[in-house]
Amino acid sequence: KAGVTQTPRYLIKTRGQQVTLSCSPISGHRSVSWYQQTPGQGLQFLFEYFSETQRNKGNFPGRFSGRQFSNSRSEMNVSTLELGDSALYLCASSSGGGGGNQPQHFGDGTRLSIL
Amino acid sequence: AQSVTQPDIHITVSEGASLELRCNYSYGATPYLFWYVQSPGQGLQLLLKYFSGDTLVQGIKGFEAEFKRSQSSFNLRKPSVHWSDAAEYFCAVGVTSGGSYIPTFGRGTSLIVHP
Repeated sequence: KAGVTQTPRYLIKTRGQQVTLSCSPISGHRSVSWYQQTPGQGLQFLFEYFSETQRNKGNFPGRFSGRQFSNSRSEMNVSTLELGDSALYLCASSSGGGGGNQPQHFGDGTRLSIL
Repeated sequence: AQSVTQPDIHITVSEGASLELRCNYSYGATPYLFWYVQSPGQGLQLLLKYFSGDTLVQGIKGFEAEFKRSQSSFNLRKPSVHWSDAAEYFCAVGVTSGGSYIPTFGRGTSLIVHP
């Protein structure tokens, strides 16, 4: 069974640009969550999608948005990039269902660098 | 709101020595508890999980963790550390709130293994 796939692995952008990251979950998983990981703030929850609906959202500005498609693939978009957006962005999938007992399966992340 | 504390930012052990990584959580009820490991440049991999029942849970790679309700702790242990165990370890709490899954991760503990 293929794992969670994130593309691209690396991205370099400049301030003010926008970026779209992609995540393909494990087959059959309906929940996709996104995290931002930085040395200073650790692993921070961005949002979770389940069946094409955003089910939960972390404390990030509106520049961070996402969506989920009918095949459960998800994209995350960041507009008007800032230097502080440089981070490893991780996607995780689970079978979903709304239970807190769902272990998450993580991709290897997209390393975003802002110049 | 729930929270997770990993008091040790770094832990250094010699290969072959035993290991214990500490995790304390704050939540009104018994949460779902997880330990993940992250190797450099990769995403997080689930080591083990606790939902209910036996408070000593076994995971992959020879790891185990013990849930202690009275101490609100879920410490990770391994009797004999291998050099390949050097990585970042994250404790996490899964909570269901209003139908949404709210994951919270600790800041992580970096394990350094000396030969």
